[in-house]
Amino acid sequence: EAGVAQSPRYKIIEKRQSVAFWCNPISGHATLYWYQQILGQGPKLLIQFQNNGVVDDSQLPKDRFSAERLKGVDSTLKIQPAKLEDSAVYLCASSLVAGTDNTGELFFGEGSRLTVL
Amino acid sequence: GNSVTQMEGPVTLSEEAFLTINCTYTATGYPSLFWYVQYPGEGLQLLLKATKADDKGSNKGFEATYRKETTSFHLEKGSVQVSDSAVYFCALRGNTPLVFGKGTRLSVIA
Repeated sequence: EAGVAQSPRYKIIEKRQSVAFWCNPISGHATLYWYQQILGQGPKLLIQFQNNGVVDDSQLPKDRFSAERLKGVDSTLKIQPAKLEDSAVYLCASSLVAGTDNTGELFFGEGSRLTVL
Repeated sequence: GNSVTQMEGPVTLSEEAFLTINCTYTATGYPSLFWYVQYPGEGLQLLLKATKADDKGSNKGFEATYRKETTSFHLEKGSVQVSDSAVYFCALRGNTPLVFGKGTRLSVIA
């Protein structure tokens, strides 16, 4: 079974530029998450989708971050304009069970490492 | 809100030593508790989980028991190997999506 796919693996940009990350979850997984992991910290949730609807985006900096999952399958996370503090690994995860079930496992991709200069 | 506190690293152990990584949590209701592991160059993967009080999760020789009275979920292994070198994250999932601790880096030397 294919895992969660993310691209690109690495990206270096200058501040004020824009960047987009792509995620394809495990087939059949209805719930998709984007997490931000800053060096030395645990992952922090940015946004959660259930199919193509947003369940939780309370920690997404909406002035510069946006995300979509138009057909309920793959997803794109965009940052525009980027700031130095956005340097982090952006992790995509998916789960089979509904977001309201707190027992289910999340499956993570390898992440996209962003460096903002 | 929900939160997880785990012991600061890095932790360096000799092969076959006993490992404990402490994890305590704050949550409303009845969360599920997880340990995730991140091996060098790889993504996060589930190590073990427990979904109710007094449950014990176990995998690959690692164990953790969900202790509601002490709000803890400490990770233990009786004899670590070099291949266990990784970053370990304690996490909980209650009425919110998965919340992680800061991670503990474990290095095992031969």
